[in-house]
Order: sequence, then structure tokens, then C-alpha cells
Amino acid sequence: QSVLTQPPSVSGAPGQRVTISCTGSSSNIGAGYDVHWYQQLPGTAPKLLIYGNSNRPSGVPDRFSGSKSGTSASLAITGLQAEDEADYYCQSYDSSLSGWEVVFGGGTKLTVL
Amino acid sequence: EVQLVESGGGLVQPGRSLRLSCTASGFTFGDYAMSWFRQAPGKGLEWVGFIRSKAYGGTTEYAASVKGRFTISRDDSKSIAYLQMNSLKTEDTAVYYCTRAPDPVVAASYFDYWGQGTLVTVSS
Repeated sequence: QSVLTQPPSVSGAPGQRVTISCTGSSSNIGAGYDVHWYQQLPGTAPKLLIYGNSNRPSGVPDRFSGSKSGTSASLAITGLQAEDEADYYCQSYDSSLSGWEVVFGGGTKLTVL
Repeated sequence: EVQLVESGGGLVQPGRSLRLSCTASGFTFGDYAMSWFRQAPGKGLEWVGFIRSKAYGGTTEYAASVKGRFTISRDDSKSIAYLQMNSLKTEDTAVYYCTRAPDPVVAASYFDYWGQGTLVTVSS
């Protein structure tokens, strides 16, 4: 059971817009900790896609955008392309009375129809 | 170009030990914290632990699932980070990734470069 909750799968046709949600709680996203997103293409290592809630590393297309509000965050992909088919993970930091840890969502598989 | 290359994975019996290496290039290794993650077959990502840079004490932190069994160290002269894994369990079977953390405090950081991963299989 992941600390952050993501939908297991989303899908969209080429050119469409899709969003992936990442829901946390008051001990992680809701406490003000940043959310980061990673893209994992089939058979490859994860790649940083969005950092600090909404910042794109150099080389990441502006079709990818991130936002955060309250205890949730979202990744939006516009102008969907076949090469966007991958697993997407959100990541944050969780701090509670029982300790702290780097936490992930369970991942969302994006299928381009 | 930043590169991280993991090595040392393989098949190991439960209860035995294994040491993974992460050889870095393309940046000043000693200036950065380094972190290890793992991904069990068909599963999601899990943080294993990290080591801060010497400037921030070179201290380490670990996930509860590996604390007391795994140890992270670094050799800045060789630009290598290590993950020593002892008392391995079948549930430690995973691809292990080495990453770089731009935030020196690390805990709430993102991880901007990832190695290709090395597979560790724990089985009798």
C-alpha cells in the first residue's frame, strides 16, 4: 500500500490531454512538501519529469506540467504522443510521529490509444 | 554528461551478502548526496536510503525495511557510492537504482539522474 495514491491506469488518444492525480495526506503533500514526478518508459530507468511541483528539467517538453493543491498534486500531459506511453510516479516526503521517509505513489500506467 | 552506472547485482542465497557499486561521472561527485532506490519485479519504486555529501556530514538515512541490514558508503576519490546488503531476504529481490540528489539535505529532494539499474535476485 503506497503512501501516495495514484490511479493504476489512464488512457487517451493521440493529441488529447490526460491528467494523473497523486493524493496524499497532512503528513506529506498537505504539510507543504514538494511533489516530484518521474516517467518510466518500458524496460528503462525512471527519468525526472517534474520537480518542485511544477518545474520542468531541461529537455522535458512543455506538454508536461505539474500542479499541487492541498493534499493532492496532478501531472497533466497535453498533445498526447505515442512515445508518452509509460508508467508515471509521483514522489514526496512524509514526516509523522513514527518517523520520516521518501514516499512514492504506486504508479500510473498511461496507454496511448 | 552525467552518468551513473550500477554494478554488482546477481543471484544470491537468502541470508547472504552482496555489495552494489555506483560509479559516477560527468559531475563533481563529492558535492552531491547519493541515494539508492529499488523496484521489485512488476512493482513500483521504493526508496532504500541515501548518503549526504561530506560537506553535510556524510551521514546516512535508511528506509525502515532495510535499516540495520543495508549500509551506504561513498568513496569520493573514486566517485563511487556503495550499497552493502547483508542478511538478504527473498523480498529484497529487485532492480536497484543509484540516483543523485541535488538538495544537500536530501530528504525532501527530487532525484535528477538515475542509473540503468542492476538486478538483485535473492533465492535458494
